[in-house]
Amino acid sequence: DAGITQSPRHKVTETGTPVTLRCHQTENHRYMYWYRQDPGHGLRLIHYSYGVKDTDKGEVSDGYSVSRSKTEDFLLTLESATSSQTSVYFCAISTRDNNEQFFGPGTRLTVL
Amino acid sequence: GQQLNQSPQSMFIQEGEDVSMNCTSSSIFNTWLWYKQDPGEGPVLLIALYKAGELTSNGRLTAQFGITRKDSFLNISASIPSDVGIYFCAGRDSGNTPLVFGKGTRLSVIA
Repeated sequence: DAGITQSPRHKVTETGTPVTLRCHQTENHRYMYWYRQDPGHGLRLIHYSYGVKDTDKGEVSDGYSVSRSKTEDFLLTLESATSSQTSVYFCAISTRDNNEQFFGPGTRLTVL
Repeated sequence: GQQLNQSPQSMFIQEGEDVSMNCTSSSIFNTWLWYKQDPGEGPVLLIALYKAGELTSNGRLTAQFGITRKDSFLNISASIPSDVGIYFCAGRDSGNTPLVFGKGTRLSVIA
């Protein structure tokens, strides 16, 4: 257990509404990541952070923004949710010089 | 960008059989990780590999870092029903780059 929690765990929302997902860690790890998982696509990186206020884009970043104002929290925001963003979202952290990576329990998001 | 080819995509085996799966990369990696994901949960790290040729075990699981640094293998011996799930490989070429993930191998065990 790497001390990662995600909230909410489930959310149903409507197209066009803003949505924020939260990832919280308790162990002061520098690197944090947001992935989405869809059938047939595996895990795809959305954004990641390598420190407070330091973030970078992943392979599927369009339509998503992130913020990290504290070491322990990494927020993923969908400014205007679309049905194509229906997915399971996983947060992850990396330990020890960015080698081993551990995942949170996931958030299932449905956009109607 | 970098790609990982993981095979097979799925497999059905009898309880007690051994299982092998592998990942190949289009480029050299310096770290290989293997994960298992149960339904409704996040992936769980099984084994981490850091050196070419390295062979590491975790119970009935054994993983190897290929000597070319472009592939890795995971073996499960004497499979049991709780081995069911999706197994992912992941690799990284340097300490500062995000992991690249394979698309997973779905394992089903028939009792």
